[in-house]
Amino acid sequence: AQSVAQPEDQVNVAEGNPLTVKCTYSVSGNPYLFWYVQYPNRGLQFLLKYITGDNLVKGSYGFEAEFNKSQTSFHLKKPSALVSDSALYFCAVRDRISSGSARQLTFGSGTQLTVLP
Amino acid sequence: DTAVSQTPKYLVTQMGNDKSIKCEQNLGHDTMYWYKQDSKKFLKIMFSYNNKELIINETVPNRFSPKSPDKAHLNLHINSLELGDSAVYFCASRETGTLQETQYFGPGTRLLVL
Repeated sequence: AQSVAQPEDQVNVAEGNPLTVKCTYSVSGNPYLFWYVQYPNRGLQFLLKYITGDNLVKGSYGFEAEFNKSQTSFHLKKPSALVSDSALYFCAVRDRISSGSARQLTFGSGTQLTVLP
Repeated sequence: DTAVSQTPKYLVTQMGNDKSIKCEQNLGHDTMYWYKQDSKKFLKIMFSYNNKELIINETVPNRFSPKSPDKAHLNLHINSLELGDSAVYFCASRETGTLQETQYFGPGTRLLVL
C-alpha cells in the first residue's frame, strides 16, 4: 500500500523568508511524486512532479522540491515566500510499478501555508 | 478555455434525492477521476475510469456511480443522498502516455445535503 504523510497541518512564515512544506511517503517500489496547491474555493492546481532524473525538481511560481530516496521525502521549498503563496498544499504519491487501483494517486492530508506580511 | 469543467458549482438538496454532477475535459485525456474532499480538506479517490477500466475505491457506497457517455465526460450520479455525502467533489483527468502522470482538476462541486 502507498501512503503520504504531511506532518504539519499549518505552516506560518513571514513574507520574504524561505518556506518548507514537508512530505514523506511510503511505496513498495519507486515513486512518482507530486505537489498540488489549492486556493480557497478552487480546485487543485499542479505545481511540480518527480518522475525520473534530477532529484531537484523546479515547478510553477518559484517552487521546487527535492526527492530524497534514503529519507523517503519530497519537501516543497521556496527561497522567498509571498503573501499570495498562502494556500493549502497537497503532496501525492504513486508507485510506478503497480497496476489497477494502486495506479491511483494517494494524497496527503494537506498543509495550510500562511505567509504573513 | 477551461480544461476540466464541472457543473453545477453548488448543489443544495434534500436527503433521499438523486442528483448528478457533470464533468467535461477538453484536454484529450483518456483517464478521468472523481475525488471527494471532506470538511477537513482530506482528499480521497472515489473512481478512476478510462475506456478500458473502471476502478472503484472499495469504500465508496454503491449509491455512487460514474457514467461516461464519451471519453471527454465522466459524470457522477448519486442515489438516495445522505447527510454524510455533503462535501466538495472534484473531477480530474490525466495526461495520456508513458510517464505522463499529472492530473488536472476541475473547480469542484460543493454539495450540501439537508
